[in-house]
Amino acid sequence: DAGVTQSPTHLIKTRGQHVTLRCSPISGHKSVSWYQQVLGQGPQFIFQYYEKEERGRGNFPDRFSARQFPNYSSELNVNALLLGDSALYLCASSQGQDRNTIYFGEGSWLTVV
Amino acid sequence: QKEVEQDPGPLSVPEGAIVSLNCTYSNSAFQYFMWYRQYSRKGPELLMYTYSSGNKEDGRFTAQVDKSSKYISLFIRDSQPSDSATYLCAMSNTGNQFYFGTGTSLTVIP
Repeated sequence: DAGVTQSPTHLIKTRGQHVTLRCSPISGHKSVSWYQQVLGQGPQFIFQYYEKEERGRGNFPDRFSARQFPNYSSELNVNALLLGDSALYLCASSQGQDRNTIYFGEGSWLTVV
Repeated sequence: QKEVEQDPGPLSVPEGAIVSLNCTYSNSAFQYFMWYRQYSRKGPELLMYTYSSGNKEDGRFTAQVDKSSKYISLFIRDSQPSDSATYLCAMSNTGNQFYFGTGTSLTVIP
């Protein structure tokens, strides 16, 4: 069975641009969460989506948005990119909204120059 | 004060040693506890999951949770060079938003 898949794996953007990151959860999992991991730090929670609805939001500015599609895949969008947005963006899936084991994909490395 | 505190290391041990990794936390409502292993430039891999207090063992790995002290531990027995990675603790009160430590970098020397 495929695990959590994310695309693209690496990308470079310029300050002020917009980026879209994509995630497909493990088959049968209905919840997707997004985390940001800055080099040398642990992952920080950005969003959780369950059944296409936002169920949790971390302490990130409104430049960050996300959505979940009927097939449970998800997109993370970041507008007006800043240098500080350079990080590994991780998608995690779980079976349900409060199912307490989350499984991560390999992440999308974003560099903002 | 951070929600979760974890000593970043680095920690270096000889092959075969017992490794002890620890995290402390401030939120007494946390009840879901997990340990992840992360190799360089890869996504975190789930190692252990524990609900509430107590111990859990899986092969060479043992996870302990002491809620009274707000302290969790991961023990690795008979450590191998392939265990060299960063180990992240994570915890939650709701089961949906998880708070992570900064990670402890471990090197097992052959």
